[in-house]
Amino acid sequence: EVKLVESGGGLVQPGRSLKLSCAASGFSFNDYWMGWVRQAPGKGLEWIGEINQDSSTINYTPSLKDKFTISRDNAQNTLYLQMSKLGSEDTAIYYCARGRYLYWGQGVMVTVSS
Amino acid sequence: DIQMTQSPPSLSASLGDKVTITCQASQNINKYIAWYQQKPGKAPRQLIRYTSTLVSGTPSRFSGSGSGRDYSFSISNVESEDIASYYCLQYDNLPTFGGGTKLELK
Repeated sequence: EVKLVESGGGLVQPGRSLKLSCAASGFSFNDYWMGWVRQAPGKGLEWIGEINQDSSTINYTPSLKDKFTISRDNAQNTLYLQMSKLGSEDTAIYYCARGRYLYWGQGVMVTVSS
Repeated sequence: DIQMTQSPPSLSASLGDKVTITCQASQNINKYIAWYQQKPGKAPRQLIRYTSTLVSGTPSRFSGSGSGRDYSFSISNVESEDIASYYCLQYDNLPTFGGGTKLELK
């Protein structure tokens, strides 16, 4: 069974950084692209970015390219999202997803507030 | 980046109705569109990929069609469990989602 479990969310002050993790199991992690999607409260889905199998290609939505960094550790079957200079607009549920966005984690909430 | 214009933003239907949601891309996306259902407090669930291919477990009352820039998603015989929000996602280029459609019961 494919399982994706996000962690690392919580309350963070504006301007600070936060790193999310996504632990994958039930499939060969190093065979798949992985991505991140977020959803602000009451809003739609926003694609953040994705990373290929060997981390040689990482794509971002243009508006977040300078704030967020996606990485992965294939030995640990884990995907990461490093977020910096956080603002209230980054308050959202953050989802990791596999490949062509068929499988999703349950999401983790990030709240940016003082 | 490719923009996806999804309509309508909200939809009211009676049980048994057929409803249709559309997504128009800002350029040809070569049929690389998926459709998702999202219920409150849950992660999105992919229902259809590559315009019209039903994902395993998707009921046959769901369907998709389209080409070029214009795509549609339909639910025939709406059931109570279909009350949710729906999103399109293009993945021909850097992925982008449509704005979403909230389906409610009339």
